[in-house]
Amino acid sequence: DSGVTQTPKHLITATGQRVTLRCSPRSGDLSVYWYQQSLDQGLQFLIQYYNGEERAKGNILERFSAQQFPDLHSELNLSSLELGDSALYFCASSVGPSGTHNEQFFGPGTRLTVL
Amino acid sequence: TQLLEQSPQFLSIQEGENLTVYCNSSSVFSSLQWYRQEPGEGPVLLVTVVTGGEVKKLKRLTFQFGDARKDSSLHITAAQPGDTGLYLCAGAYNNNDMRFGAGTRLTVKP
Repeated sequence: DSGVTQTPKHLITATGQRVTLRCSPRSGDLSVYWYQQSLDQGLQFLIQYYNGEERAKGNILERFSAQQFPDLHSELNLSSLELGDSALYFCASSVGPSGTHNEQFFGPGTRLTVL
Repeated sequence: TQLLEQSPQFLSIQEGENLTVYCNSSSVFSSLQWYRQEPGEGPVLLVTVVTGGEVKKLKRLTFQFGDARKDSSLHITAAQPGDTGLYLCAGAYNNNDMRFGAGTRLTVKP
């Protein structure tokens, strides 16, 4: 158990819909990262927040957005869903702002299926 | 497009055999991490290497960072069924730009 929690574990929805994925980081961690993992694209970095502020942005689509709240939990919002958005979405957290020099602890993921 | 190329993509071996998996890029990494991911779970960090030429050992696992910091390898000695999983490398190109490879899926048969 990494200490990072993600809800829901599974999510099935239809094209065009909007969903919200939730992540609670490990106690004491200030950074939250979101990743998308699909079979053909591997693990893709989406976005990072550090202490409530956006710190780094990766391959995140404009239809996707995220935020980190004062209690440090984070939400990833996916809208106008397409079939290709079906994937595992992971949240990770770390103590410091650098994902490259701080160990990232990954949550169990949310499996999103878009029908 | 993957900036990091991992090879082989799949590897199936018998218990007790040795193996090496590779992570390569045309760009220089400021640091590189290796993760192991089991089905239904998130990746777990195994090691971080920072210095070119660095070698780190974790029990039966040996990690090497290339002198030019463009490549890395993971060698497992006397593989066990518990080593089965997806091995991911992740390279940092700038201060906080981290990219993952597609992974090597290892199966160790008893």
